Amino acid sequence: QKEVEQDPGPLSVPEGAIVSLNCTYSNSAFQYFMWYRQYSRKGPELLMYTYSSGNKEDGRFTAQVDKSSKYISLFIRDSQPSDSATYLCAPHNDYKLSFGAGTTVTVRA
Amino acid sequence: NAGVTQTPKFQVLKTGQSMTLQCAQDMNHEYMSWYRQDPGMGLRLIHYSVGAGITDQGEVPNGYNVSRSTTEDFPLRLLSAAPSQTSVYFCASTPEGGMSGELFFGEGSRLTVL
Repeated sequence: QKEVEQDPGPLSVPEGAIVSLNCTYSNSAFQYFMWYRQYSRKGPELLMYTYSSGNKEDGRFTAQVDKSSKYISLFIRDSQPSDSATYLCAPHNDYKLSFGAGTTVTVRA
Repeated sequence: NAGVTQTPKFQVLKTGQSMTLQCAQDMNHEYMSWYRQDPGMGLRLIHYSVGAGITDQGEVPNGYNVSRSTTEDFPLRLLSAAPSQTSVYFCASTPEGGMSGELFFGEGSRLTVL
């Protein structure tokens, strides 16, 4: 069993739609929950992160963590074609960072 | 600011050949790491280093060697390439000794082993 499971997608949505991305994890020691965005043929870049359970909002992006159910979510509001990318969840604790396989999102203009 | 630079961007090898993927960073980060990315598998840690002269194995180290003689450079060596090593390789660095979880990635090196 993988330590981090991520909905594989791919997702294709019209511009302006809400995108919902989800991951589950098995290691209860994870404390930080990162989301990376990876454009085609580029390296991943950190989009945002949360610490422990709760919500965090950054512009059109909202990250949610429910540690009781080991469930991580990322929501993109008013999605734009520039949001088309692969999104990787990455729970983290001390030196250990585990990546989900990624969900590829296409936002159609 | 160059960030993390990887060379080469593309490489084709024959089974049994050896090669080195280069990685350099100019951010004075102590922690550097190598990942491979395969479809459906996500990013998997190959080797990492918490500082010059110190390296350790990650999740999938077999068939790869690393060294860290300077803070800036962290080359990855494939000793005897196999088709299973066909992948996209990413080098990453982070400040704060890796505690922050924020990795700065290079643009990747695409390797095909025939």
